Amino acid sequence: EVQLVQSGAEVRKPGESLKISCQASGYNFTRKWIGWVRQMPGKGLEWMGIIYPADSDTRYSPSFQGQVTISADKATSTAFLQWSSLKASDTAMYYCARHLRGNSGLDYWGQGALVTVSS
Amino acid sequence: AIQMTQSPSSLSASVGDRVTITCRASQGIRNDLGWYQQKPGKAPKLLIYAASSLQSGVPSRFSGSGSGTDFTLTISSLQPEDFATYYCLQDYNYPYTFGQGTKVEIK
Repeated sequence: EVQLVQSGAEVRKPGESLKISCQASGYNFTRKWIGWVRQMPGKGLEWMGIIYPADSDTRYSPSFQGQVTISADKATSTAFLQWSSLKASDTAMYYCARHLRGNSGLDYWGQGALVTVSS
Repeated sequence: AIQMTQSPSSLSASVGDRVTITCRASQGIRNDLGWYQQKPGKAPKLLIYAASSLQSGVPSRFSGSGSGTDFTLTISSLQPEDFATYYCLQDYNYPYTFGQGTKVEIK
């Protein structure tokens, strides 16, 4: 059974760093793209970026390029999303999701991780 | 980046109604479009991929159509569990982009 299990809710202050995780199981982690999606409170879905764990090929939305870093650890089948200096505007729910191939869509999703940035 | 314009932003409908949601891409995206359902407090769920392919386990009252720039999600007979927000997502090229969402509410 394919599962994506995300790390728990986080509360940080502006300027702090953070790394959240998404652990995959039930499929060959290295051979499927895995992406991140942001949802700010009461707002729609925003595609942030995606990584191919086999070779760490990573693509970012221009809106998030330079603001976050996406990475993956093949040994633990885990994808990561990290910030070096959080802002209050980073407060949101973050989802990871698997992209099987081509136009197959994002077929499995993590449960989401709520990040709250407040002084 | 490709812009996805989804309409309407919200609609009210009754159980049993036929519901149609549209998504228009700012350029041709072949059939590289998916539809997602999101209920409050839950992760999105893939309903349709490749514009018209029903994801495994999704009820057949959901269908998708379109190619190029214009796409449609249809719910043939709305059920109580279908009240949710629906999004389209183009996976034609990077950056992938979502539509703004359509909230389907009970009339």
